[in-house]
Amino acid sequence: DTAVSQTPKYLVTQMGNDKSIKCEQNLGHDTMYWYKQDSKKFLKIMFSYNNKELIINETVPNRFSPKSPDKAHLNLHINSLELGDSAVYFCASSPNLDRGGNEQFFGPGTRLTVL
Amino acid sequence: AQSVTQLGSHVSVSEGALVLLRCNYSSSVPPYLFWYVQYPNQGLQLLLKYTSAATLVKGINGFEAEFKKSETSFHLTKPSAHMSDAAEYFCAVSETGGYSSASKIIFGSGTRLSIRP
Repeated sequence: DTAVSQTPKYLVTQMGNDKSIKCEQNLGHDTMYWYKQDSKKFLKIMFSYNNKELIINETVPNRFSPKSPDKAHLNLHINSLELGDSAVYFCASSPNLDRGGNEQFFGPGTRLTVL
Repeated sequence: AQSVTQLGSHVSVSEGALVLLRCNYSSSVPPYLFWYVQYPNQGLQLLLKYTSAATLVKGINGFEAEFKKSETSFHLTKPSAHMSDAAEYFCAVSETGGYSSASKIIFGSGTRLSIRP
């Protein structure tokens, strides 16, 4: 009965590689998000999608490309990985605002290490 | 733009003692405020949220927070700390910023809570 799930949990890769992280939610929410948490635990939003449409894009390098095949899934593809991309990436979801959707539900995170 | 400031990156208390984690917010509109907890190597879990219904908000695990508009504060408290409370705690404010279907959560820098036996 996992609410927001992410795969993989850990990802170790070389600089320059391309990798994807997948996220799925079974809460019936319309909106999904990607956050990045750096080594100092600082959390910052990267993207938000509502029903497959990009809503928020927070000045993220275009090496990062989110893709939402349907409203229950939001994947993150990263091209040409750099050392600075090493972080924990969290997926989250929320209902639409008109249904009280300010609260966000977070996945367990994907720890990405770029060597 | 809305923001939150957490005072103290690390707080250490004895088991059974009062826990007080401080958070001040900045917002030009009535805010939605949250406290999230992150246990080691885990995701974030909502402790409680303020949505203007009541100024004293009770959350899970015995935590509560009081919204004080005059002080622009939303401090988190627990009367008696337990070893299992050791974690990272994040105060956050929700910003809609004109988005019709999404809200951006702005997180504070986090406070690591340690519990001494």
